Amino acid sequence: DTGVSQNPRHKITKRGQNVTFRCDPISEHNRLYWYRQTLGQGPEFLTYFQNEAQLEKSRLLSDRFSAERPKGSFSTLEIQRTEQGDSAMYLCASSLGLGDGDEQFFGPGTRLTVL
Amino acid sequence: AQSVSQHNHHVILSEAASLELGCNYSYGGTVNLFWYVQYPGQHLQLLLKYFSGDPLVKGIKGFEAEFIKSKFSFNLRKPSVQWSDTAEYFCAVNGPTSGTYKYIFGTGTRLKVLA
Repeated sequence: DTGVSQNPRHKITKRGQNVTFRCDPISEHNRLYWYRQTLGQGPEFLTYFQNEAQLEKSRLLSDRFSAERPKGSFSTLEIQRTEQGDSAMYLCASSLGLGDGDEQFFGPGTRLTVL
Repeated sequence: AQSVSQHNHHVILSEAASLELGCNYSYGGTVNLFWYVQYPGQHLQLLLKYFSGDPLVKGIKGFEAEFIKSKFSFNLRKPSVQWSDTAEYFCAVNGPTSGTYKYIFGTGTRLKVLA
C-alpha cells in the first residue's frame, strides 16, 4: 500500500502526559499537512510543511504542540502535557506540491483519547 | 476569514433517490473547491475537484458538482444514490491567491441511504 500511513492508529493517555504521532506521506509528495477533527466537525488545519520547512501554523497549534519533518520525509506531531480537550482524530495528508490546488491524500488518522 | 458552510448535517434517502448536498464558501479570491467522502471506517477520499474551466465537474462513482461563482456555491449531486453511498461528505476550499494550500473544510453531511 503506497498511501499515507499514520501510527499509532489509537492512543489513550492520561492528562499531563506527552504523546507523539508519526505520519509517513506518499513518497514523492513534497507537502505534508496535519489536521485535527473532533466529533461532528470537519477537519481543522494545524500546520503544513513544504519539504522540511514548516511554512504555516494555525492558531489552534498552541505552544504544547510541535511538529517536525526532518529530511522532508516522515513527520511527527508531539503534544506535551496533554489536556482532555486534545482528544480528537489527528489526520495527516500529503500532496505533490506541483501547483496551487493539488489534491491532498489523507491517512487513516490517529485517534487520541486523553483521560 | 475563509469559511465553508454545509447546510445539511444529516440526510436520509431511499435508494434511487436523487441527492443534492449544499456547500457555500466565503472567500474573496480565486478558489479551488473539493468534495471528499469518508466511508464508515475508512479515510477521507477525493470525490471531485474544481480548479478552473467548466464549472460542472464530474467525479467518481457518478457524482458531479457545479461551481456557481455568483452564489459562492459548489453543490454536490448524484441522480440516483445507492446503499453504498452511505458515508460522510465534506466540502473543502483552498485559496491559491493568498498563497495558502491548506484546506478549509465544512462540518460535513452524514448521508444514510436506505436499501
